[in-house]
Amino acid sequence: EADIYQTPRYLVIGTGKKITLECSQTMGHDKMYWYQQDPGMELHLIHYSYGVNSTEKGDLSSESTVSRIRTEHFPLTLESARPSHTSQYLCASSELGQGNSPLHFGNGTRLTVT
Amino acid sequence: ILNVEQSPQSLHVQEGDSTNFTCSFPSSNFYALHWYRWETAKSPEALFVMTLNGDEKKKGRISATLNTKEGYSYLYIKGSQPEDSATYLCAFRYSSASKIIFGSGTRLSIRP
Repeated sequence: EADIYQTPRYLVIGTGKKITLECSQTMGHDKMYWYQQDPGMELHLIHYSYGVNSTEKGDLSSESTVSRIRTEHFPLTLESARPSHTSQYLCASSELGQGNSPLHFGNGTRLTVT
Repeated sequence: ILNVEQSPQSLHVQEGDSTNFTCSFPSSNFYALHWYRWETAKSPEALFVMTLNGDEKKKGRISATLNTKEGYSYLYIKGSQPEDSATYLCAFRYSSASKIIFGSGTRLSIRP
């Protein structure tokens, strides 16, 4: 059973479109993360949040933006999609204050921009 | 730049054989080392979180060891089964406040 949900699983969209990738978790976790992964490469952190109204950019520069208005919801938005945004996007969450707690991942969104 | 290296990149093992692979990380500062299993079409699932030098963790046929002084961790799978086919990711954290840095994974395929 999944406690962290991502939609859509797959998305094919044309250049210039605005898209929002949804991520929700039901565990009450304060920390949430967005990772981007290209085939055969590492997971790269692009955004993270330690709670409501807190968002930070990760290590990999990204043209996407995020918001955290509710604890359970951490959507990622691309205002104008480009082919270079084609990738897999994984959302994750973990408990705040528990430095050793593992990440809980969603199933990911595989985005293709044509 | 902090790098987490995993080797080998991919591995093909006969069903029933045991196998192991490596995660290397900077030994200068250490807080925690995570192992995840990522099966195709599923989400990555946490296997172990290890924090102490000399730690050994076990979950069924899978076990892991940790050497923080030399900066490596081994993951062992005993008697490989087809359901063990997955990508195994390790991730490193150098402080309680630091982000988690992932390796590129070891892709394991079990031949029946």
